[in-house]
Amino acid sequence: EIVMTQSPATLSMSPGERATLSCRASQNVNANLAWYQKKPGQGPRLLIYGASTRATGIPARFSGSGSGTEFTLTISSLQSEDFAIYYCQHYNNWPPMTFGQGTKLEIK
Amino acid sequence: EVQLMESGGGLVQPGGSLTLSCEASGSTFSSYAMGWVRQAPGKGLEWVSVTYTPGSNIQYADSVQGRFTISRDKSTNRLFLQMNSLRAEDTALYYCANIPLARGGAFDMWGQGTMVTVSS
Repeated sequence: EIVMTQSPATLSMSPGERATLSCRASQNVNANLAWYQKKPGQGPRLLIYGASTRATGIPARFSGSGSGTEFTLTISSLQSEDFAIYYCQHYNNWPPMTFGQGTKLEIK
Repeated sequence: EVQLMESGGGLVQPGGSLTLSCEASGSTFSSYAMGWVRQAPGKGLEWVSVTYTPGSNIQYADSVQGRFTISRDKSTNRLFLQMNSLRAEDTALYYCANIPLARGGAFDMWGQGTMVTVSS
């Protein structure tokens, strides 16, 4: 089973700053990687699929990059509504599809 | 756009059974696959099961294999998860989600979740 590892576990930042979240796969997953945003009391929201394609309605400040085993989610200028938990998920030769353990983006 | 709503969660004793339901509305024809993902209290997301075309293929996570059964009724736009032999570690918020063909294997739209608590 492919293991997804996210870092850091917690990221403390201020509104307006640039945030960089990392996700590493234990094996090559090509570009079959998605990013989700999770807020309390809400279902997850798909942000990025195919490692770099923004989902419908996702603001341009969210961008994804990477391929193979190393991936990055960048939020160019943090807004108050962006503070949440972010998960990566691989879907290479799915199923199965596994999630990372999450990165909590909190206000500094 | 697909809208999803889960129901059927509740409190059940260890060893008991429960069936979750997920009603889909909107552009359901675009859902190549449907699946269940859960989140235990204080934990991250865990994929549980998925059903996908062609041929109504089905897969389960090792943690639920042999105990859970996923099914899909396209005539009523509903997804089900029959859960048997429930354990304390199955306690979680269960989400249903869809995978349009255009998303590869990414879960596109999600419901709000239904809570399952396994406790005596």
